[in-house]
Amino acid sequence: QSVLTQPPSVSGAPGQRVTISCTGSSSNIGAGYDVHWYQQPPGTAPKLLIYGNNNRPSGVPDRFSGSKSGTSASLAITGLQAEDEADYYCQSYDSSLSGVVFGGGTKLTVL
Amino acid sequence: QLQLQESGPGLVKPSETLSLTCIVSGDSISSSDYYWAWIRQPPGKGLEWIGSIYYSGSTYYNPSLKSRVTISVDTSKNQFSLKLSSVTAADTAVYYCARHRPAAISGRFDPWGQGTLVTVSS
Repeated sequence: QSVLTQPPSVSGAPGQRVTISCTGSSSNIGAGYDVHWYQQPPGTAPKLLIYGNNNRPSGVPDRFSGSKSGTSASLAITGLQAEDEADYYCQSYDSSLSGVVFGGGTKLTVL
Repeated sequence: QLQLQESGPGLVKPSETLSLTCIVSGDSISSSDYYWAWIRQPPGKGLEWIGSIYYSGSTYYNPSLKSRVTISVDTSKNQFSLKLSSVTAADTAVYYCARHRPAAISGRFDPWGQGTLVTVSS
């Protein structure tokens, strides 16, 4: 059971928009700690996708965006492409656990 | 360009100690701007932070693993290492090293090494 809760799976057709939620609590996201997002295509290492809630590293398309409100965060992907098919993870810090925490991951399927 | 490469045995016996090293190239591990981290992923499962270390040797460990984990840094070789003692089959995972930035426990992991699979089996 992950401290940060993500839906196990989401799907969308090419060109569509999908969102992935990351629900936390008052000891992590709600406490103001940053949320970061990672993309992990099958068989590869995770790659940073969004940092500091809503910032894109250079090279990440602007189809990817992040937001945060209260005890939750979201990753939005617009103009879905086949290459977006991957697992996505959110990450933050939890003061009660005194450690870095990840969401359980969400598998994105492009139909 | 910063690159990280994990190395170490791919097979460890139960009750023994898992030892891995991460070689950092393209940047100095002695930078005051970063931590350096270990993260693992059991087959078919999610990511778990193991711990992070500053170039000075200050460490932060996952409380659930703290009693078994030691992370150390060798600035002369630009590398850092992981030791996990008393391993069981539950420790079978792909182990990743990553730069943890900025030098704050709430920072992000970027970039990651390619990962190395460690299997615990007799």
